[in-house]
Amino acid sequence: DTGVSQDPRHKITKRGQNVTFRCDPISEHNRLYWYRQTLGQGPEFLTYFQNEAQLEKSRLLSDRFSAERPKGSFSTLEIQRTEQGDSAMYLCASSPRGGEKLFFGSGTQLSVL
Amino acid sequence: AQTVTQSQPEMSVQEAETVTLSCTYDTSESDYYLFWYKQPPSRQMILVIRQEAYKQQNATENRFSVNFQKAAKSFSLKISDSQLGDAAMYFCAYKPLDTDKLIFGTGTRLQVFP
Repeated sequence: DTGVSQDPRHKITKRGQNVTFRCDPISEHNRLYWYRQTLGQGPEFLTYFQNEAQLEKSRLLSDRFSAERPKGSFSTLEIQRTEQGDSAMYLCASSPRGGEKLFFGSGTQLSVL
Repeated sequence: AQTVTQSQPEMSVQEAETVTLSCTYDTSESDYYLFWYKQPPSRQMILVIRQEAYKQQNATENRFSVNFQKAAKSFSLKISDSQLGDAAMYFCAYKPLDTDKLIFGTGTRLQVFP
């Protein structure tokens, strides 16, 4: 069990650029979650997958955001045309079943200049 | 709407002493899950303890225990024999049965002094 890994750990980008983050869940976990955490706040749910199917998306996930989980393994979260308000930590988590115990990664800290 | 409130932005405790972190939530559901997560400076959220709402018995995990008051919609975390490694942000979270989405509070920063 190597845990949930996220890459990169930090990302600095200019406004208007596209960014992509990767999450590798614990291998036997079929559920994968993305959360966003801004300074001084708790994590906010963005979306989750069961295997390769995206089952729920938050209204926070505007059309500039897209998440994929091809073949039900790793997942990517892409943000197009980044805005300063996108600056946050993006957390990935995985679970063996229905969200009763989530295992989180260390997050990707995004700074949009 | 379901919400989670943590009214203590910061708490401090002396090593070996006991501290209680507060959490209240709002829901119209009768069955749900409640959690406490710890987020150390490494940023990785770690599950501390979990409570199923249908269970009357308060959950306990070693030095961590909860006081679950369903009617009052209160879910406090007690840390006994506090250790320096307990210093972290602590988040209370709620999960309804019909979704996998966790709803988090704003967190409480716990400082532990030697």
